[in-house]
Amino acid sequence: QVQVVQSGAEVKKPGASVKISCEASGYAFTNHYIQWVRQAPGLGLEWMGIVNPDSGTTSYAQNFQDRVTMTTDTSARTVYMELRSLRLEDTAVYYCARGRSGGNSRSPLDIWGQGTMVTVSS
Amino acid sequence: DIQMTQSPSTLSASVGDRVTITCRASHSVNTWLAWYRQKPGKAPELLILEASNVASGVPSRFTGSGSGTEFTLTISNLQPDDFATYYCQQYNAYPRTFGGGTRVEIK
Repeated sequence: QVQVVQSGAEVKKPGASVKISCEASGYAFTNHYIQWVRQAPGLGLEWMGIVNPDSGTTSYAQNFQDRVTMTTDTSARTVYMELRSLRLEDTAVYYCARGRSGGNSRSPLDIWGQGTMVTVSS
Repeated sequence: DIQMTQSPSTLSASVGDRVTITCRASHSVNTWLAWYRQKPGKAPELLILEASNVASGVPSRFTGSGSGTEFTLTISNLQPDDFATYYCQQYNAYPRTFGGGTRVEIK
């Protein structure tokens, strides 16, 4: 079964960091880019960035450029997203999702993780 | 950044209705546009890719059209499962951007 499974919910204080994992199974892990999307409570989808699990190459949205790092552990078939210097407004559900087309970053997202709730609260 | 604007933001309809959602891009995205459905508390699901291609397993009542800067998603014979929020996303350029969403609610 093709799926990506994310790590569990997190509660963090402002200024802290969070690192979310996204473990893939059922397909050739290094062939498909992984993207991260977040959704604040009651709001829409916000694209954060993309990582090539084969090369480790990344591209980040400007809003997160200074605070986010996306990395890959190919032996564990896992992608990680770390967000630093957390603010109250970073409270959201964070999703990882697989790009549908193998080897092509220009691809819609066909397999989504279940989402990870990150709550930032003092 | 390419801005994606969806309309309407909310739409009221009944089971069996035909509804249309529009997505406009601030710059051409060719046909690199996807549509997703998101049910409450769930992750989005891919419905349409490359503006008009129905994703695998998606019912034929979903159709997409358009190119360049103007796109539509049409749902024919609306089913109870379709009362959800719909998002368009361009994947022509970085950053990939989503529309603000269209909530389809029961009339």
